[in-house]
Amino acid sequence: DAKTTQPTSMDCAEGRAANLPCNHSTISGNEYVYWYRQIHSQGPQYIIHGLKNNETNEMASLIITEDRKSSTLILPHATLRDTAVYYCIVSPYSGAGSYQLTFGKGTKLSVIP
Amino acid sequence: DAGITQSPRHKVTETGTPVTLRCHQTENHRYMYWYRQDPGHGLRLIHYSYGVKDTDKGEVSDGYSVSRSKTEDFLLTLESATSSQTSVYFCAISPGQGANTEAFFGQGTRLTVV
Repeated sequence: DAKTTQPTSMDCAEGRAANLPCNHSTISGNEYVYWYRQIHSQGPQYIIHGLKNNETNEMASLIITEDRKSSTLILPHATLRDTAVYYCIVSPYSGAGSYQLTFGKGTKLSVIP
Repeated sequence: DAGITQSPRHKVTETGTPVTLRCHQTENHRYMYWYRQDPGHGLRLIHYSYGVKDTDKGEVSDGYSVSRSKTEDFLLTLESATSSQTSVYFCAISPGQGANTEAFFGQGTRLTVV
């Protein structure tokens, strides 16, 4: 069973913020939310992860709702190089399965000039 | 970029032949993984390692074996390649569990079994 639900595809205008939603309504208290992306046939690239607080790094921001049932990845100023498939993943931070990332089908983000 | 090298990058082999893919890291990370990626299935975990000589099966391990005799190398072997093993194979490494599960992926090996 899929632990996350993401839209299949999204478009974003270059220079605008890209907001990618993810639903993880069955998330457990010990599970982190991870975001990765895969740019055309390359290996996936780690973006960001969080437990319950919002997180920001040089690539993106992660907003997690208070009930932790959904999250949004924000790319503040999308560029053409951000065109990729974005994966939202939940994974426990300890115990069985904490080593493993389960990739779904992700959201294909197309940044339009 | 994390120091991960996969070899070979491309390989064509015949059904029934053995094939070994190599993943080499220079980061001294404890965990190493092999994934395969097929259209319509996303990435699926084949095997992983949590230390030298410590390995375990993932979601799609049938037909594959692995070995890790030293920290930096993780080998994936197809004992007798089949056409269903035609895929892109990715190696990944990570420093630890939980909050340190951030994984770094190699560039992939495209394997074609004819």
